[in-house]
Amino acid sequence: SQQGEEDPQALSIQEGENATMNCSYKTSINNLQWYRQNSGRGLVHLILIRSNEREKHSGRLRVTLDTSKKSSSLLITASRAADTASYFCATDQAGTALIFGKGTTLSVSS
Amino acid sequence: EAGVAQSPRYKIIEKRQSVAFWCNPISGHATLYWYQQILGQGPKLLIQFQNNGVVDDSQLPKDRFSAERLKGVDSTLKIQPAKLEDSAVYLCASSLDISGQVYGYTFGSGTRLTVV
Repeated sequence: SQQGEEDPQALSIQEGENATMNCSYKTSINNLQWYRQNSGRGLVHLILIRSNEREKHSGRLRVTLDTSKKSSSLLITASRAADTASYFCATDQAGTALIFGKGTTLSVSS
Repeated sequence: EAGVAQSPRYKIIEKRQSVAFWCNPISGHATLYWYQQILGQGPKLLIQFQNNGVVDDSQLPKDRFSAERLKGVDSTLKIQPAKLEDSAVYLCASSLDISGQVYGYTFGSGTRLTVV
């Protein structure tokens, strides 16, 4: 079953611009995580935000979480061509494995 | 530290044949997962192990898929017989704790299976 739903499905921007991706989920969660997947590769963990946190930063990444709206957003600032990838949100309930959304495909052109 | 190792990287088989995938997780990671990722979709959990015990296999098609984790380390996922709809990337991941609440999951590069 798919818990998270990313929006938009695809996003094209120029280098230097900011990219924002959103994730909505259906049931209450323990944590929400964001992963990146380059074409033909495995997923790489980017950032984890706990259900009692509202915002988290890591380098050029900023994640927000609104549990009342059951939504999260991932902001990538000053995008680079190397940020071209698919981005997935994943959620868990206490003690369960991560459930992934369908992903947002980001294309950054130079 | 070494990452999650998976083999083979690619596999092409005919329908009704059998196939096996191997995964070696990060040393010390107690939890191991197998995910199936169909093109254009997010990964879907097939099975989750804690050490060598199964925690969740509710989405594993048990009539054709089987998995084991010997001695709580390496794991093998088998499909027998394969169907066309099994064409996907099979991803193995491991984590220090259930749900990867501390450091998230570490994924292998996956095995791309094509069933013809």
